[in-house]
Amino acid sequence: DAEITQSPRHKITETGRQVTLACHQTWNHNNMFWYRQDLGHGLRLIHYSYGVQDTNKGEVSDGYSVSRSNTEDLPLTLESAASSQTSVYFCASSPSGRGTDTQYFGPGTRLTVL
Amino acid sequence: DAKTTQPPSMDCAEGRAANLPCNHSTISGNEYVYWYRQIHSQGPQYIIHGLKNNETNEMASLIITEDRKSSTLILPHATLRDTAVYYCIVRVRITQGGSEKLVFGKGTKLTVNP
Repeated sequence: DAEITQSPRHKITETGRQVTLACHQTWNHNNMFWYRQDLGHGLRLIHYSYGVQDTNKGEVSDGYSVSRSNTEDLPLTLESAASSQTSVYFCASSPSGRGTDTQYFGPGTRLTVL
Repeated sequence: DAKTTQPPSMDCAEGRAANLPCNHSTISGNEYVYWYRQIHSQGPQYIIHGLKNNETNEMASLIITEDRKSSTLILPHATLRDTAVYYCIVRVRITQGGSEKLVFGKGTKLTVNP
């Protein structure tokens, strides 16, 4: 069955290190999204992509980057991890086109920055 | 900011219908109402969406008022596994491309009691 996966599921890193979170979907969806979830803030959009070579900033993009070299993957990179980036990260994908795109979410990655 | 208002929490007895309200008084004519839920520690799960007509699927029913300023998600026979945070989302149309991002509010924490 088609699915969306994230890895690793849990990660502990140190301040200043570069970290990359993987997101892989097998639905052949053009659209992919990264969110973070913190207590008191709900889910907030970090970056999104509408297709290969396309990336866009969301509402909380500072300190994060993404690249889209193929349809299936949208890795999220923290260039220099900060304690404020301790959070749960969710990846999502949706089919292309206007209208009623439904987003499907992965299981999440819990990141702790010490 | 989210364009919806939901009660922070609700309780429901197992086997009874759960009716979750949502206000979206500033909704535009071409914006859809989406419902997602998030069971503890999991990624958000799509439930249902609608534009102006009532909708039903295998999970729930969505009732949208005629003026579209509010809606109600109905879980007809709530089970303990329906305990989750339920998000009502109005689709935000962005300025480029043909796809819309989701803006999550804080949702309603539904607790189904035995």
